[in-house]
This record gives sequence, structure tokens and C-alpha cells, in this order.
Amino acid sequence: EVQLLESGGGLVQPGGSLRLSCAASGFTFNTYAMSWVRQAQGKGLEWVSVISDSGASTDYADSVRGRFTISRDNPKNTLYLQMNSLRAEDTAIYYCAKHGCSGTRCYINFWGQGTLVTVSS
Amino acid sequence: DIVMTQSPDSLAVSLGERATINCKSSQSVLYNSNNKNYLAWHQQKPGQPPKLLIYWASTRESGVPDRFSGSGSGTDFTLTISSLQAEDVAVYYCQQYYSFPHSFGQGTKLEIK
Repeated sequence: EVQLLESGGGLVQPGGSLRLSCAASGFTFNTYAMSWVRQAQGKGLEWVSVISDSGASTDYADSVRGRFTISRDNPKNTLYLQMNSLRAEDTAIYYCAKHGCSGTRCYINFWGQGTLVTVSS
Repeated sequence: DIVMTQSPDSLAVSLGERATINCKSSQSVLYNSNNKNYLAWHQQKPGQPPKLLIYWASTRESGVPDRFSGSGSGTDFTLTISSLQAEDVAVYYCQQYYSFPHSFGQGTKLEIK
């Protein structure tokens, strides 16, 4: 059974940093691309970032480029999102998502439960 | 960037009736070299994470009831629920994965009439 368990969310002041983690199990982690998608309270889904199976290829939404860094540790079956220079508008539930293929131009086929990030003073 | 626009924003349908949700992309998401449309549909029930329903515009994910179907090509796509069930109350999102950013539509809220 595929499982994605996010952690690391919480309350942080504007300008601060957080690192989200996503522990994966139930599938061969190093053969699938992974993404982070966020959702502000009562709003729609916003794609944030993607990383290929090997970690060699990444991309970001313009709204987070230069502030957020996606990475993965394949031996540990874990996906990360390092978030720096956080702003109030980054407040959202952050979902870890598994793709159905190894490459990044692929559909998301499984979502984690999400972790809440709140940026406020 | 490709902009995804769904219609309607909300929809109320009677149990057992057909529900149709449309999604339009600002550029084609059809990749000519493999003739695939890079378009997925996700369902999000209240208080839950999204769930994949359809990918490659018309391929139903394993375990998804066959009352859900996807159609369309290029820039115009449709999600159809042939006979609405109570458990289908949710917000539905289309998403393109043809180019970055992998944008979502704004969502369509489906309710029971």
C-alpha cells in the first residue's frame, strides 16, 4: 500500500524557514518523480515543485523559485521541501505527491494527507 | 504558462443524473510525438487530500468507478459522471502536466440538487 507521510509543518514568522519532509513507503521510491502541491484555506490547488526520480531534474512555480528547494534522499525514501524567506501568502496545506512515471512530465497518481504551514507574526 | 479554466465553478445535479465538467487550456496539451494529452482530473472530497480519477485525458485510474469518464483533446476536455451518486460530492480539478508549471484549474464544486 502506497503511503506518503508529511511532517515539518507549523507556525513560522515572516522571513523564517521551515523544512518539510515526506516519508514514502509501499512503492519503489527511486523510480518515481515526486511533487509538492499546496492549498490555501478554502482555495484551489497550486503546484509548487517537482523532482525527477534521480533528483537530477527539478522545477518550481515562479511564486517560490529562489526561495524553496526540493530534494530527495532515495536511500531514505524521503522527499524534502526547504522553504526560506517565508511570506504570509505561503500559508497553506502542503501536499506531497507521487507521480505515475519516472520523468517529471507525468501525472500525479497519489497524494499524502498534507501538512499545514502557517506564516504569521 | 498554460492557464487552465474550468466551467462551471459550481454545479448541482440530481442523484442518478449526468454531471459534466469542462476544462479548457490556454495552449494545446497534446504532445504530437506520442499523441497523448497531458491532462489529469483529480477529485477532492471535504477534509481529504485530492485523489486521481483520470490521466492522459481519458484513462481511468485503477479502482475508479466506470461512471467517471474523461474526453477531449488539444485544449478542450470534459469529465463526465454518468449517474451521480451521493459519494461524488466533491471539488473536481483538471491539471495539465504538459509544461511547467503544472497548472490546475480553479476547481468545480459538485453538489446534489
